[in-house]
This record gives sequence, C-alpha cells and structure tokens, in this order.
Amino acid sequence: GDSVTQTEGQVTVSESKSLIINCTYSATSIGYPNLFWYVRYPGEGLQLLLKVITAGQKGSSRGFEATYNKEATSFHLQKASVQESDSAVYYCALSESTNTGKLTFGDGTVLTVKP
Amino acid sequence: DPKIIQKPKYLVAVTGSEKILICEQYLGHNAMYWYRQSAKKPLEFMFSYSYQKLMDNQTASSRFQPQSSKKNHLDLQITALKPDDSATYFCASSQDWDREQYFGPGTRLTVL
Repeated sequence: GDSVTQTEGQVTVSESKSLIINCTYSATSIGYPNLFWYVRYPGEGLQLLLKVITAGQKGSSRGFEATYNKEATSFHLQKASVQESDSAVYYCALSESTNTGKLTFGDGTVLTVKP
Repeated sequence: DPKIIQKPKYLVAVTGSEKILICEQYLGHNAMYWYRQSAKKPLEFMFSYSYQKLMDNQTASSRFQPQSSKKNHLDLQITALKPDDSATYFCASSQDWDREQYFGPGTRLTVL
C-alpha cells in the first residue's frame, strides 16, 4: 500500500534559522499522487498548510515551501527563517488519484523553535 | 464558530461495550471521513463517504460502522470495544472527495 516516511520525529531550530523537514513517499497507483503538508499548532486542530498535485511544481504558504520531486519521490518542507510561532507538528500526506479521498499520513515531525 | 463538531471530546469506555462518536460539519461539504490516531502511530484512514454513500472502507473489523443520517453527519459506531481501540478519532470533510479536507478536533477514546 501507500506509505509516507518522515525521518525526523523531532526537530529543534533556533529562531531565524532555516528549516527542512524530510518527506518521502511510496504510492501504488500508476499515476502521480497528490502531496500535502498538514500542521497542528498547539491547542488547535489539524489544518492544511500546502498542497501540490502536479509533479515538478512547488507549493508555498506562510513562508513554507515544498517541491514535488517525482524522481526522488520526495516532498521536503522548507522555510528560510523560522519563527517561534511555527512551533507545531507537521505531517506529510498523500492521496491517490482514485476517487475515495483517502489520505495517507506520515508519522509527523514535532518542530520546536527556540527564541 | 467551529465548523466541524465532534462529540464527545473525551470518552472512557469499558471493554465489550458500545459507543457512538458524533461528527457534524457545517461547511456544506459533500464528502466526510473518519481517521484514527493511536499512540505513536500516524493518522490512519478509516472511511470515506460522498453524498452519504460509502466510498472507501479501510478498517479490517466490522465492529466499526459509520452512520450517515444526514448529509452533514457521519457518526461512528464502535461495538465490542477493545483496549486496542483506544485512540483519538478524527472526523474530516471536504467539498468533494478530491478537495481539501478539513479536520475536526477529535474524540479521544480510552477503553479500559
């Protein structure tokens, strides 16, 4: 079946430093999956951060970027300069082109930004 | 105002009992979903419904039964509860199956 791998369970970064959270995926369908980053801020529900549905394209939101790399089957999340308010849990996810809406999530990465 | 309501927020049950988790969405969406997150495990897809029809069922057990009495409701009935069913259950919805999913706050179920 489909799978999403986030290698870092926890990441700690100092404020204003750069960030990268790694995500690789494996999809079973013939077509290319849709890729997502979701975020859960402390005390809040899970919300979509960004999505990319076309291989080779880049998505961006709130200063975060992720590029859909079909050759490397990766969708790493990056930010040039993090802020303390970015502290949250980040989830990489994919959905197949089948018409069920199923999202497959990675384990999540806890980001702590130190002031 | 919350757009996706899940009730209750916390639920404690004894092994062998039956519980219903409530989900209502006020986003006018046509598709609804259930996910589960157990301790130290990723969010796991359970069901998807579109226009009140089952689209996908990834649960291995028939003890989990979604119930859709209205277009904006998708409750989850769990029978013969087991300690392994302890998890946080998230409801989600989207305009259609291929659109952005919005998640509810979750119901944390503990089975003793």
